[in-house]
Amino acid sequence: EAGVAQSPRYKIIEKRQSVAFWCNPISGHATLYWYQQILGQGPKLLIQFQNNGVVDDSQLPKDRFSAERLKGVDSTLKIQPAKLEDSAVYLCASSLGVGAKNIQYFGAGTRLSVL
Amino acid sequence: QQQVKQSPQSLIVQKGGIPIINCAYENTAFDYFPWYQQFPGKGPALLIAIRPDVSEKKEGRFTISFNKSAKQFSLHIMDSQPGDSATYFCAAHLSGNTPLVFGKGTRLSVIA
Repeated sequence: EAGVAQSPRYKIIEKRQSVAFWCNPISGHATLYWYQQILGQGPKLLIQFQNNGVVDDSQLPKDRFSAERLKGVDSTLKIQPAKLEDSAVYLCASSLGVGAKNIQYFGAGTRLSVL
Repeated sequence: QQQVKQSPQSLIVQKGGIPIINCAYENTAFDYFPWYQQFPGKGPALLIAIRPDVSEKKEGRFTISFNKSAKQFSLHIMDSQPGDSATYFCAAHLSGNTPLVFGKGTRLSVIA
């Protein structure tokens, strides 16, 4: 079974530029999450999708971050314009979305450096 | 507000030792407590998980101890090996389709 795929693996941009990250979840997984992991901290949820609908985006800085999940499969996370404090690893995770355990499987992440 | 507090921040043990990582949570509605292991350049991977209706769970060399009244849980790694060197995150979430709330992580180094 293929895991969660993310691209690119690394991205370096100047502040105020825009950037986009892509995620392909495990086949059949209805729920998709984007987490932000700042160096030395645990991942923090940015947004959760159930199929192609948003379940929770309460912690997404909507003035600069946007995300979509077209057709309930792949997802894209965009930052425009980027700030220095956006430097982090952006992790995508997916889960079946049913059952009490609801195990989340993570991709390798995209490491963003904003200069 | 940090809902899951994890300690220590880093830990160095000798091969064969038993590192212990502790976590405390605040939200009594949490009912699923997984531990994730993360190697450099990789995403977190589920290691072991527990529900609050049991006090201990073992899987291979990894054991979770859970104290519901104290709202604390811990990870023990028996006979630790250099290959266990990684960052470990405790997490918690409500039942069902909800996001994980992570601790800040513990960087473990097992030296030969």
